Amino acid sequence: KQEVTQIPAALSVPEGENLVLNCSFTDSAIYNLQWFRQDPGKGLTSLLLIQSSQREQTSGRLNASLDKSSGRSTLYIAASQPGDSATYLCAVTVDKIIFGKGTRLHILP
Amino acid sequence: DAGVIQSPRHEVTEMGQEVTLRCKPISGHNSLFWYRQTMMRGLELLIYFNNNVPIDDSGMPEDRFSAKMPNASFSTLKIQPSEPRDSAVYFCASSLKGATEAFFGQGTRLTVV
Repeated sequence: KQEVTQIPAALSVPEGENLVLNCSFTDSAIYNLQWFRQDPGKGLTSLLLIQSSQREQTSGRLNASLDKSSGRSTLYIAASQPGDSATYLCAVTVDKIIFGKGTRLHILP
Repeated sequence: DAGVIQSPRHEVTEMGQEVTLRCKPISGHNSLFWYRQTMMRGLELLIYFNNNVPIDDSGMPEDRFSAKMPNASFSTLKIQPSEPRDSAVYFCASSLKGATEAFFGQGTRLTVV
């Protein structure tokens, strides 16, 4: 059974710092891995999608990596800003999409 | 495309009443997912459809929950009778089956009193 784990559950960092969020999954037979952002009381916004054949994807200050063999992904946020404060969710697609419980990120001004 | 559209955005109902949540997926997408989100359990997959056919409903918590997808552009999630523990945010998502990006609706916040 596929399980997705995100560590840490919560993280506070000063503005301007670079940071890494971690995601691990138990079964490497995935179609893709997706990172989402969720603001309080809002829906999920897709940030990056990495296909199973890819190693990384970049969008602006965000970079996501995928190591299928070890069942790990990281989301790197460069030069963090207070507007980056949100919950970040990792999800893997087998036939269905399975989520981790997320990392609550707080950027301190 | 307007994205995945869910209605209503908020629903407050009394225990024992029937609740119906609605979802319109993105045109052309052939996979549809229903999720429930709570603080304690995070995002739980309830059921998903491929080409309007339910594939996996193992996440549906009880027989009180049912979901239908009568055509490619509409799905419902029904709770009958509703209970206070059903209070949560329910999300619908759609994608092209396989290795494509999933898009989520804004969710329906359900409160059962």
